[in-house]
Amino acid sequence: GAGVSQSPSNKVTEKGKDVELRCDPISGHTALYWYRQSLGQGLEFLIYFQGNSAPDKSGLPSDRFSAERTGGSVSTLTIQRTQQEDSAVYLCASSPRLARETQYFGPGTRLLVL
Amino acid sequence: SQQGEEDPQALSIQEGENATMNCSYKTSINNLQWYRQNSGRGLVHLILIRSNEREKHSGRLRVTLDTSKKSSSLLITASRAADTASYFCATDAGTSGSRLTFGEGTQLTVNP
Repeated sequence: GAGVSQSPSNKVTEKGKDVELRCDPISGHTALYWYRQSLGQGLEFLIYFQGNSAPDKSGLPSDRFSAERTGGSVSTLTIQRTQQEDSAVYLCASSPRLARETQYFGPGTRLLVL
Repeated sequence: SQQGEEDPQALSIQEGENATMNCSYKTSINNLQWYRQNSGRGLVHLILIRSNEREKHSGRLRVTLDTSKKSSSLLITASRAADTASYFCATDAGTSGSRLTFGEGTQLTVNP
């Protein structure tokens, strides 16, 4: 079936602008994660959604970052007043309820803040 | 902060040779996973080893886990040019769902 999809693939924005990144998880997957990968680095956890529970936002780097997940499916990560250090690849992953340990990653959104 | 540290940072070998990558971590874990990433985009799950397991195989992949040393290794046997990618270990401490803590990865280049 279809995997995790993310849009846009690439986003170039000017410093100070807001951006929205979208993630469509695999249908039926209850858990959704956002990670950030800076150039040449490993992945950094940002936020986790599980069903209707309150999300774990402990990885968000500042209050300029927020995310929501509507209807237990699609998620949007919003970065307000973007800064150059926000430039990175933003990766979304989802996992099924009965096999939560394995995460399926989308192709990512490459964000460049000029 | 990064939990896992991979060693080496970069590895270049010839096709047919074996590639070994190591990962160390700091805290107790539920499981450790290895992922592969091509060209800086999406990650592909390779193998998962639980904290009560010591060794696991999947095709040409062999993973070991030593919880007393808080370390793991990934062995790719009979490497192919198509194995060229970045390889990351990720630990699941069992907190907050299954959030993963990734190392910084090993860049493997397999020369034809």
